[in-house]
Amino acid sequence: SQTIHQWPATLVQPVGSPLSLECTVEGTSNPNLYWYRQAAGRGLQLLFYSVGIGQISSEVPQNLSASRPQDRQFILSSKKLLLSDSGFYLCAWSVGVPGYTFGSGTRLTVV
Amino acid sequence: KQEVTQIPAALSVPEGENLVLNCSFTDSAIYNLQWFRQDPGKGLTSLLLIQSSQREQTSGRLNASLDKSSGRSTLYIAASQPGDSATYLCAVLKGNQFYFGTGTSLTVIP
Repeated sequence: SQTIHQWPATLVQPVGSPLSLECTVEGTSNPNLYWYRQAAGRGLQLLFYSVGIGQISSEVPQNLSASRPQDRQFILSSKKLLLSDSGFYLCAWSVGVPGYTFGSGTRLTVV
Repeated sequence: KQEVTQIPAALSVPEGENLVLNCSFTDSAIYNLQWFRQDPGKGLTSLLLIQSSQREQTSGRLNASLDKSSGRSTLYIAASQPGDSATYLCAVLKGNQFYFGTGTSLTVIP
């Protein structure tokens, strides 16, 4: 069966420190992969999506970057975190038209 | 650009009541619509997926309907239980992207 793993579950990082969040998918090939952020009191915002290895599309200008080094691995990074990067980060995958499957999320607090 | 609105933003009902959550979207050219549940501090769990050619889907006490022409979907929850308390999100797929509503926070009071 298909599963999606996202870690860590929670993270507290100081301003200016680097960030690396990892998402991996099992049980499927060539998925579309997505990173979403949910800021406090706000809806889900699409940050990046990828339709294949090395193919990254960004929806909003920001302090973050994404990479897809392998077919089923999606990484969200930052060189220097800002306070405004705090939020709940969700990875998701889809294959074909039917819907998303989400990971369990990472709660990031930048202090 | 697709905009998705959910009404009400919050809802509190006594246990056992039937309830309806509403979702509206501005662009009817969608591939599908998906309802999710999110518990506090947790990821999203898919509840129901309605393809653009379908009008409704049912799973247990949940029934979701889709009216593409009017840009509306409803999620009907029958005989609500305290365990149904969560935030419910709807999302529509257009192109390669899902557009999410801001959710309805549901509290079912024992």
